[in-house]
Amino acid sequence: KNEVEQSPQNLTAQEGEFITINCSYSVGISALHWLQQHPGGGIVSLFMLSSGKKKHGRLIATINIQEKHSSLHITASHPRDSAVYICAVPGGGADGLTFGKGTHLIIQP
Amino acid sequence: GAVVSQHPSWVICKSGTSVKIECRSLDFQATTMFWYRQFPKQSLMLMATSNEGSKATYEQGIEKDKFLINHASLTLSTLTVTSAHPEDSSFYICSAREEQGAANSPLHFGNGTRLTVT
Repeated sequence: KNEVEQSPQNLTAQEGEFITINCSYSVGISALHWLQQHPGGGIVSLFMLSSGKKKHGRLIATINIQEKHSSLHITASHPRDSAVYICAVPGGGADGLTFGKGTHLIIQP
Repeated sequence: GAVVSQHPSWVICKSGTSVKIECRSLDFQATTMFWYRQFPKQSLMLMATSNEGSKATYEQGIEKDKFLINHASLTLSTLTVTSAHPEDSSFYICSAREEQGAANSPLHFGNGTRLTVT
């Protein structure tokens, strides 16, 4: 089973700061997911990537397959970015996912 | 874009009663859906894989008679928590892939159901 570690577990930053969230996994994968869980619980898929880098608005996700590591960056952070960010990799059942514990991000005005 | 609708968003029930949670894919067909459970401050844990027209596949430690899954159509899967107890209180969330059997296809989540058993 793939082990997923995220860091930091909690992060509080000021509006405008550059944010980095890290994810490491133990077994080679075909793709990695970054998810955003809102305070109410709903989950949005931010990225699915298998190599290199992807960018969407102020969000950037990178992955290094050889090092089994991925990062999620937020540029010019805003209070509305406050959420739990979860890294997930294949495993945990047929076509299911194994999730990291998430990073609780709070952006203060 | 593809949307997964989950209902209800929250439910409070008495111990011993059963609760049904619905998960619908609104604009795509999902022969496979996934049910997860999340306890406070914990990560999502896969409970079972729901397969249209066949039996669900349960993860180790999940009682199939306790958590009944029915996937009778290509757009609807239901999870019934039978004889609920306070320890079943949790956040339940479903997901489905746009392309069946493609591990790299986008994954869409419902908004989750917060179950409280009193």
